[in-house]
Amino acid sequence: DAGVIQSPRHEVTEMGQEVTLRCKPISGHNSLFWYRQTMMRGLELLIYFNNNVPIDDSGMPEDRFSAKMPNASFSTLKIQPSEPRDSAVYFCAAGGEGTHYGYTFGSGTRLTVV
Amino acid sequence: GDSVTQMEGPVTLSEEAFLTINCTYTATGYPSLFWYVQYPGEGLQLLLKATKADDKGSNKGFEATYRKETTSFHLEKGSVQVSDSAVYFCALSHSSSNTGKLIFGQGTTLQVKP
Repeated sequence: DAGVIQSPRHEVTEMGQEVTLRCKPISGHNSLFWYRQTMMRGLELLIYFNNNVPIDDSGMPEDRFSAKMPNASFSTLKIQPSEPRDSAVYFCAAGGEGTHYGYTFGSGTRLTVV
Repeated sequence: GDSVTQMEGPVTLSEEAFLTINCTYTATGYPSLFWYVQYPGEGLQLLLKATKADDKGSNKGFEATYRKETTSFHLEKGSVQVSDSAVYFCALSHSSSNTGKLIFGQGTTLQVKP
């Protein structure tokens, strides 16, 4: 199993541009999570899906952020328009049933908005 | 609501020193507890876990015991190595929920010097 795969690894974009981050979770894991990590705020849960359905998006900072999971093998996090304060590392994680097994994290996408 | 508090870092130790990173939690019910490790430039990896009171999780020489009476899950290692330098996150999952939400502490940076 290749684990959770995120792309791109690094993204540099100009303020105002649309950014799309991608995640391919582990087959058979029914929960998917998007986290944002910054020095100031640590790890923040943005949104999570269970069986492809969004369960809680209360962590999504603004309407500029949106996430989709059209099927069990793919999810996207979109920022439109992007702002410099969105610069962070964005992680996708896949969870097993009940999460008592913990999550498997991707390597993250480092986003820089200039 | 549920929360996790870790000791502030960075923690700086010499090789072969004894390590303790404190973690306490606040939660209703009986959560599962986790330690994750993040090496530079990588995502988080599950280090160990405990799912009920008095359980001891262990992996790679690290140990942590689920202490319900003190609501703690302190991470310990008898002899650290330079390769243990990383950021360590304590986390809980509310076992009464099947939604899979993991709540993380703020992370503790460990630096081990030769």
